[in-house]
Amino acid sequence: GESVGLHLPTLSVQEGDNSIINCAYSNSASDYFIWYKQESGKGPQFIIDIRSNMDKRQGQRVTVLLNKTVKHLSLQIAATQPGDSAVYFCAEDRGYNNNDMRFGAGTRLTVKP
Amino acid sequence: GAVVSQHPSRVICKSGTSVKIECRSLDFQATTMFWYRQFPKQSLMLMATSNEGSKATYEQGVEKDKFLINHASLTLSTLTVTSAHPEDSSFYICSAREGRRDTEAFFGQGTRLTVV
Repeated sequence: GESVGLHLPTLSVQEGDNSIINCAYSNSASDYFIWYKQESGKGPQFIIDIRSNMDKRQGQRVTVLLNKTVKHLSLQIAATQPGDSAVYFCAEDRGYNNNDMRFGAGTRLTVKP
Repeated sequence: GAVVSQHPSRVICKSGTSVKIECRSLDFQATTMFWYRQFPKQSLMLMATSNEGSKATYEQGVEKDKFLINHASLTLSTLTVTSAHPEDSSFYICSAREGRRDTEAFFGQGTRLTVV
C-alpha cells in the first residue's frame, strides 16, 4: 500500500556535526511534505515544510530537500545541538483528492556531547 | 504558531467505561482536524479525519462505533473511546488545520490513556 517510510530508524551524531534524516514516500500524487520533531510524551512540533513545486527549502539551521524523481525527502540539521535530540517524522499530504496527513516511521536522533 | 489544546493530558479509566478527549484550536478556526494514535516507539497512525459539520472519515480498520468523533464547531473536536479495554491504552494526538489542504497542521500535546 501507499506509505511514507524512513531509511534509518536511529541516528547518533556528535554535537556540532550536521545531521541528515531521510524519508521515502511512495505516493506520486503527494504534493506537500512536513517535517516534525517529537519529544518524549509530547505532540509533534512543526520544523519545516515543502511543496512539490520546490526541491529545496531552508529554515533556521534546517534544510529540507525533495527529490520527486526518486520520491525522497531529507532533513538536514546544521550544527546539531543536544536540544535537537528527539524523534523526527516526515508527514505526507497525499494530494488534492485526499484531505489527510500521514506519517513515516520516524528516526530517533541522539546528539552526543 | 497557532495553538491546539488537547485535554486531558493523562487519563486512567476502568474497563468498560468511556473516555472523552477534547481538542481545541485556540486562535484559529480549524476546518479540518485529525486524530492519531501512537504506540510506544512507533509512528503516528491516522485514525480519522474530520471536517467541521460533517461526519468523520475513518481509516481502514478503525471502528467508528468504538472511536466516536465529533467536530461540531470550528474550534472543537472530540474523540470518545467507548467501552474502553486495556488494548485501547495508547497515546492519542489531535491536530488541526485551518483552510487550505496543503498547509501546516498544528498538534495538541497528546493524551495518555490507560485502561485498567
